[in-house]
Amino acid sequence: GESVGLHLPTLSVQEGDNSIINCAYSNSASDYFIWYKQESGKGPQFIIDIRSNMDKRQGQRVTVLLNKTVKHLSLQIAATQPGDSAVYFCAEGGSNDYKLSFGAGTTVTVRA
Amino acid sequence: GAVVSQHPSWVICKSGTSVKIECRSLDFQATTMFWYRQFPKQSLMLMATSNEGSKATYEQGVEKDKFLINHASLTLSTLTVTSAHPEDSSFYICSARDFTDTQYFGPGTRLTVL
Repeated sequence: GESVGLHLPTLSVQEGDNSIINCAYSNSASDYFIWYKQESGKGPQFIIDIRSNMDKRQGQRVTVLLNKTVKHLSLQIAATQPGDSAVYFCAEGGSNDYKLSFGAGTTVTVRA
Repeated sequence: GAVVSQHPSWVICKSGTSVKIECRSLDFQATTMFWYRQFPKQSLMLMATSNEGSKATYEQGVEKDKFLINHASLTLSTLTVTSAHPEDSSFYICSARDFTDTQYFGPGTRLTVL
């Protein structure tokens, strides 16, 4: 089946700077997109989601942008902190069965 | 936020034995739960969709007789790895869908088959 991919496998960020993590998806039928954070040895933690009828959604220190024209999703983290170091996955799904397809993941390392 | 638990968090077993992993939604009811598998430094791969009161739906390539799923109630789903072999060693993660359709994930179960 179609899968979600990420542009960069690793991202190194200076503490206090903003981070941008990108994701490309291929299934034009997907109408639900989520970002998860996974720390070593733990399960994925929900960060933020967005549905296809929106192009931007903001949470606490995070913003997700959706560009359906080019099938691109991004996660922006403001004022990156050491605790933000983790692997970030984007996932796409459909409202018909709610099954999620995960991208490869981007490892974010925050430098002090 | 919604909390999903898994038990056990890790298990070591001998080849040929069966292992049961529980997934519970602690503060919400989940009509649908999902089971994923994750190998080191790789992404999550969906194994099956578990619906309360009905048979699980397995993804292509996943052996339903090897990975038995039972969704006994709106808060509990179990995954049994039957006749486990070393190649079944992996990180198994469940998720539960709440009434807003958001999927919340459990902490995962590390299975090591000797």
